[in-house]
Amino acid sequence: DGGITQSPKYLFRKEGQNVTLSCEQNLNHDAMYWYRQDPGQGLRLIYYSQIVNDFQKGDIAEGYSVSREKKESFPLTVTSAQKNPTAFYLCASSGSGTGHQNEKLFFGSGTQLSVL
Amino acid sequence: AQKITQTQPGMFVQEKEAVTLDCTYDTSDPSYGLFWYKQPSSGEMIFLIYQGSYDQQNATEGRYSLNFQKARKSANLVISASQLGDSAMYFCAMREGAYNTDKLIFGTGTRLQVFP
Repeated sequence: DGGITQSPKYLFRKEGQNVTLSCEQNLNHDAMYWYRQDPGQGLRLIYYSQIVNDFQKGDIAEGYSVSREKKESFPLTVTSAQKNPTAFYLCASSGSGTGHQNEKLFFGSGTQLSVL
Repeated sequence: AQKITQTQPGMFVQEKEAVTLDCTYDTSDPSYGLFWYKQPSSGEMIFLIYQGSYDQQNATEGRYSLNFQKARKSANLVISASQLGDSAMYFCAMREGAYNTDKLIFGTGTRLQVFP
């Protein structure tokens, strides 16, 4: 079955540590996105990539970094510069081309990051 | 200025009744798309319905319909015949621009609770 896989489901970070959240999709989608969700709040865009080897900052990119070396993969690194990393992180992808099916975002099941 | 506004932090509805979740948006781009997603307590985001800015008719998907009022910049979600399983967070989102790979901006969400 096609879909988006995020791992791990739960992640703990120590002070001063970088951690990387994995996101893999087998939907052959061009675009991928990372969102952050804080309790009781909406989703805020961290980074997005419309094509391999290219990505753009979203609204809250500070303290985060990404790479897009392969179409299938869009890992997110939460660096030690991110002082409040505790949140639920969602990865998503969308297709290109015309058609209703390409309009919607497909989401992974999320990673809950907590600080020890 | 907020691009997507959901003014109802929480809503209650009795089972089998209809409920409307409000969403207003702000854009000067003539080409845009509007989405509704459902997020159960498990965390995954489930696509419900999509409305394109050039669509002449209101979108419908089973028990979900989108009341699209372009002049008022309103895209309310109507759920008919509510079920207990409809209890969840509901997010309205907008894609600005003509490309499917453009980023989505989310509202802060509405928590819907369905009671017997």
